Amino acid sequence: DTGVSQNPRHKITKRGQNVTFRCDPISEHNRLYWYRQTLGQGPEFLTYFQNEAQLEKSRLLSDRFSAERPKGSFSTLEIQRTEQGDSAMYLCASSFGASTYEQYFGPGTRLTVT
Amino acid sequence: GQQVMQIPQYQHVQEGEDFTTYCNSSTTLSNIQWYKQRPGGHPVFLIQLVKSGEVKKQKRLTFQFGEAKKNSSLHITATQTTDVGTYFCAGWVRYSGGSNYKLTFGKGTLLTVNP
Repeated sequence: DTGVSQNPRHKITKRGQNVTFRCDPISEHNRLYWYRQTLGQGPEFLTYFQNEAQLEKSRLLSDRFSAERPKGSFSTLEIQRTEQGDSAMYLCASSFGASTYEQYFGPGTRLTVT
Repeated sequence: GQQVMQIPQYQHVQEGEDFTTYCNSSTTLSNIQWYKQRPGGHPVFLIQLVKSGEVKKQKRLTFQFGEAKKNSSLHITATQTTDVGTYFCAGWVRYSGGSNYKLTFGKGTLLTVNP
């Protein structure tokens, strides 16, 4: 399968714990995006990488969130000191070429904070 | 701030009936994309519209981009049970003060089809 992959698919954690998610984009894609989606809502932009550079970060993202793409390939999203409000589906998407091209989404990581 | 609004939120139809979802932006969009998300799935790209007044067709699906590039619609003719899912429009919006763009999604329209 050469699509976007995300791990883990599901994560249950206790409030206050740290979690880390991984995204492996399609290999030749230079752009990588993270979104958060809650029930009944569309994906909400979190942050964006072009190769290894993080170019934009949503103001909605608190300091507890950090993302990396160290070698311009896979990316990780870490949430520190999780809160119940962080419970959501975290989606990764990748694209190639111009910034406004179609995005290919991964299956997502569903986070539940208890 | 920039918002992309979509109506209706839900639509239930009998198989064979037509379906339309509408998307409106508070500002002019450079282009607009449509995605479909099946229940339990992830968004899948359907199409991108770029030109003012553009109309594109994919089999039973017809997509339109308004003349002012602030609204768009998706029309499905003779729905089938395989059309079930949430349809999202998404507009590319320049990130505040910067030169980069972010994709801003509407809340989507959930389509259910009664066989």
